[in-house]
Amino acid sequence: SQQGEEDPQALSIQEGENATMNCSYKTSINNLQWYRQNSGRGLVHLILIRSNEREKHSGRLRVTLDTSKKSSSLLITASRAADTASYFCATDIYSGGYQKVTFGIGTKLQVIP
Amino acid sequence: EAQVTQNPRYLITVTGKKLTVTCSQNMNHEYMSWYRQDPGLGLRQIYYSMNVEVTDKGDVPEGYKVSRKEKRNFPLILESPSPNQTSLYFCASSTQGLNTEAFFGQGTRLTVV
Repeated sequence: SQQGEEDPQALSIQEGENATMNCSYKTSINNLQWYRQNSGRGLVHLILIRSNEREKHSGRLRVTLDTSKKSSSLLITASRAADTASYFCATDIYSGGYQKVTFGIGTKLQVIP
Repeated sequence: EAQVTQNPRYLITVTGKKLTVTCSQNMNHEYMSWYRQDPGLGLRQIYYSMNVEVTDKGDVPEGYKVSRKEKRNFPLILESPSPNQTSLYFCASSTQGLNTEAFFGQGTRLTVV
């Protein structure tokens, strides 16, 4: 099963509104990252947050991490039509001395002009 | 320009015909990995490599092989492709697993008929 699961799976908002996406995971992590994917293209890194951090900002993006609840949220403020994309969280787990990376199913965001 | 290059971008092949998807990065990254992306399932890790000659299975390794003979290249080999391997494939690289930002290739859309 997926380590990370995003919620909601789809989100439609008006331009200018804020968009919030959530990610829940099952096992303890070292890092969590958020990525963006425009339709059918490669993923682009947005933010990395470490397990000892609670919040990070990057431009209009704000990411929070609650390790006690095993969840993270991505907030996009003042959304734009160009923010229309799918957003994924990725977590790392250590298994047998090796590091595996797991992505969630993603949240598909549509920003209506 | 820092990039991950995958080839080919599109491929249609027949069941059982061996194929290789190449992946090359120019950032001297140690960690490289392959993912497949399917509707409703998100990205799933196929194989990853911590460094040259060090590879390990991800979540869905069946039917795939990889090799890491040199740092920059990480080819994905399908010895006997089957229709259930029809998917969108991504190669990614990073300095150190999920501890740092991962760079993704543009994807290879594979159809096995």
